[in-house]
Amino acid sequence: DGGITQSPKYLFRKEGQNVTLSCEQNLNHDAMYWYRQDPGQGLRLIYYSQIVNDFQKGDIAEGYSVSREKKESFPLTVTSAQKNPTAFYLCASSRDRVNQPQHFGDGTRLSIL
Amino acid sequence: AQTVTQSQPEMSVQEAETVTLSCTYDTSESDYYLFWYKQPPSRQMILVIRQEAYKQQNATENRFSVNFQKAAKSFSLKISDSQLGDAAMYFCAYRSMAGNQFYFGTGTSLTVIP
Repeated sequence: DGGITQSPKYLFRKEGQNVTLSCEQNLNHDAMYWYRQDPGQGLRLIYYSQIVNDFQKGDIAEGYSVSREKKESFPLTVTSAQKNPTAFYLCASSRDRVNQPQHFGDGTRLSIL
Repeated sequence: AQTVTQSQPEMSVQEAETVTLSCTYDTSESDYYLFWYKQPPSRQMILVIRQEAYKQQNATENRFSVNFQKAAKSFSLKISDSQLGDAAMYFCAYRSMAGNQFYFGTGTSLTVIP
C-alpha cells in the first residue's frame, strides 16, 4: 500500500544536539511538507518542497533545515539553534494538482532530555 | 497569505445528535479548495471531506456534510448521527489554486458524550 512513513515515532534530543526526522513517501507525489504541531496552535508550516532539489521556508523555519535529494524523501533536521523543539512533527505530501488533499504520516514526537 | 479561522476551540455533542463546526477564511482568490481533516487521539490526520470553491453544491460524505458560503467565506462541517468514533480534533484547511501551500485553522476539539 502507498503511504508516508515517518521515523522514528519518538525521538529524544540532548541539549546542543542536531537530530534528523525521516519522511519517506511512495505515493509518487511531487510536493512534500513538514509541520510542527503544538497544543492549541494547529499545524504550522516549517518547510515545503514542490520538486526535487528545491524547497521553501514556511512560517517557522528558523532552527530547522531540510533537503530534497530524492522525490521520495524529505528529511527534517532540528538543529541546536531551535531552542524549543519539543513538539509533534507531521510530514505530508500531495500531488501537484490543486484538487488533491495532503496525505500525512503518523508523526514523530520530539522531546528534550 | 490566506488565513483560516476556527473560532470554536472545543465542542461537544450527544451521541446520535448533530453538531456543526465552523470555519472561516480570508482570501482574495476566486477559486480554491477547502478541506476538513480529522485527527483522532492516535494523531493520524484523516481527510474527511473536500469542497471546490467554484462548485455551488455542498459536498457530502455519508454523515459528514459542509455548508459552503462563498460570499461569507465560510465553510462549516456538519456531523449527523454523531458516533463515539467521531471524537477528535478537526482542522479546516485551504488550498490555493496558485501553488502547493495549504493553510490550516487552529482546530476544534470535538467530544462525543455517550
